[in-house]
Amino acid sequence: SAVISQKPSRDICQRGTSLTIQCQVDSQVTMMFWYRQQPGQSLTLIATANQGSEATYESGFVIDKFPISRPNLTFSTLTVSNMSPEDSSIYLCSATGSDTEAFFGQGTRLTVV
Amino acid sequence: AQRVTQPEKLLSVFKGAPVELKCNYSYSGSPELFWYVQYSRQRLQLLLRHISRESIKGFTADLNKGETSFHLKKPFAQEEDSAMYYCALRGTGRRALTFGSGTRLQVQP
Repeated sequence: SAVISQKPSRDICQRGTSLTIQCQVDSQVTMMFWYRQQPGQSLTLIATANQGSEATYESGFVIDKFPISRPNLTFSTLTVSNMSPEDSSIYLCSATGSDTEAFFGQGTRLTVV
Repeated sequence: AQRVTQPEKLLSVFKGAPVELKCNYSYSGSPELFWYVQYSRQRLQLLLRHISRESIKGFTADLNKGETSFHLKKPFAQEEDSAMYYCALRGTGRRALTFGSGTRLQVQP
């Protein structure tokens, strides 16, 4: 199994600013992902974080708004740029290993005011 | 396109009653299906997956390809089963999951 640490766990940010969320996995994993969970809704995949190269974004998400880094196998960051109140959500980091089970961080609850 | 549908936002039952959380999916190939659970103030965690065909905490789920369903069942609900349950699908060649909207299960004493 893998344990995922995500920080910050929550933040309140001013509109127009940016927040970087960090995700650290305690073991080597194959894939890392970032999801968004808007209030009262399900998890939506933002992007797949690729080691050493640009992330693969899902429809509706762009690199300028959600830049992602993954410098090594166990660490990734997601930045929410130029924030607006519509970006208020829970952001979740996820990782899968060789057995395909997906593990999740505890989430970052972001409120934009 | 792949889609997961959980028709019930909330399911409330009494302790000891049977539980069935519904999940239907849409996918053209052979998917992997999962149930994830999120207890209060805890992170999302895997409950079970169809390829394992196992029972976890008394829960079972059978993949019905004809009905494209993967309903989660438990014969006797316990109060500690109260949580948010998400059905999820992984398509062929993808590692990311597609989630349903979730069902909140409330087990009353």
